Amino acid sequence: NAGVTQTPKFRILKIGQSMTLQCTQDMNHNYMYWYRQDPGMGLKLIYYSVGAGITDKGEVPNGYNVSRSTTEDFPLRLELAAPSQTSVYFCASTDNMSRGISYGYTFGSGTRLTVV
Amino acid sequence: GENVEQHPSTLSVQEGDSAVIKCTYSDSASNYFPWYKQELGKRPQLIIDIRSNVGEKKDQRIAVTLNKTAKHFSLHITETQPEDSAVYFCAASVQTGANNLFFGTGTRLTVIP
Repeated sequence: NAGVTQTPKFRILKIGQSMTLQCTQDMNHNYMYWYRQDPGMGLKLIYYSVGAGITDKGEVPNGYNVSRSTTEDFPLRLELAAPSQTSVYFCASTDNMSRGISYGYTFGSGTRLTVV
Repeated sequence: GENVEQHPSTLSVQEGDSAVIKCTYSDSASNYFPWYKQELGKRPQLIIDIRSNVGEKKDQRIAVTLNKTAKHFSLHITETQPEDSAVYFCAASVQTGANNLFFGTGTRLTVIP
């Protein structure tokens, strides 16, 4: 089991450029999430998905888009990058909550993005 | 939405002493409270969690207490070691639906040898 895999690990973007952050998990988790972590701050939820074909906005969705065409993959798209999007991005997944079993989130290793 | 506050933001203790980190939450429907440890440049890792039907949970040197009436929960680390140095995050969620976690702003713990 690789767990949650994120690519790339680092990226520098110019203002106005676009990119996709990749996230894939091999644990057959239904629930997947994208968070951003700014220096000295906690994690803020960008988007989440409760299953293939279903996505919804979190606390800070502006400037981002997601898709969930398969259970395994949950890419995050940045359109027209802005300096305010400089952050570390974490993808996470967890098991189906309706079974009442939770072992917490499994996080990917993160993507450090700088917009200049 | 849920608002989680965490204190202190930094904490320094001598090796062998205890450390306590406190969090409060706003949504009375929250019923799951995990704690994550994040070492520098690494991903957050779950270290302990507690559900609302339990008041205390312990795992070796780590314990978490929950007061649902007051809406606060705390992490206790005993006999601290230098490898406990990291940033600790508390979080809260309602374990139905999407189970979105709302995180505190973190506590940087430094254990001085």
